[in-house]
Amino acid sequence: AQSVSQHNHHVILSEAASLELGCNYSYGGTVNLFWYVQYPGQHLQLLLKYFSGDPLVKGIKGFEAEFIKSKFSFNLRKPSVQWSDTAEYFCAVNPNTGFQKLVFGTGTRLLVSP
Amino acid sequence: DVKVTQSSRYLVKRTGEKVFLECVQDMDHENMFWYRQDPGLGLRLIYFSYDVKMKEKGDIPEGYSVSREKKERFSLILESASTNQTSMYLCASSFETRTEAFFGQGTRLTVV
Repeated sequence: AQSVSQHNHHVILSEAASLELGCNYSYGGTVNLFWYVQYPGQHLQLLLKYFSGDPLVKGIKGFEAEFIKSKFSFNLRKPSVQWSDTAEYFCAVNPNTGFQKLVFGTGTRLLVSP
Repeated sequence: DVKVTQSSRYLVKRTGEKVFLECVQDMDHENMFWYRQDPGLGLRLIYFSYDVKMKEKGDIPEGYSVSREKKERFSLILESASTNQTSMYLCASSFETRTEAFFGQGTRLTVV
């Protein structure tokens, strides 16, 4: 079945460590890609998105993601995490099948220790 | 600022009850969505609507129905609530294809 995979379910880092969260999808053709974040007690909000053009996209709060078409991947990165980055991160794909139907991965819980 | 408002943050209902979850968006968005969020499963799409009175099934529509009589309002209906429908329900809206979706705060539903 077509899907979105996030292989890291829980990640624990110390402040200032670098972060990379993996996301792979199985849809062919043109896709739109998103990373959302959910801070404790808050609603889901957009970190960054990729539609076309430069495969390295920058988002809010120092996050970036790289689209590698040949690997069907859209990994999220941050060079130096902060305690305030503790949250759950979701990768999402719009397979561009006509309706905007976002398909989400299972999420990665990030805990940053001070 | 886009606002997606879900009518309740917490709900407790009994097995067999008919449950209505309401969602309102204030940005004239065409698309509206209902997801449920469960630990380890991420967000799964229940239903979505791309226009008034139009709806499409998502990945897990069984046991649910929806109603969209007005553009700004999208309701999720649990016809006969069951304990396996205990979950966090998230409503979202978006303007058109290729734009981001905006989410509400969620409704945590417990069916006892």
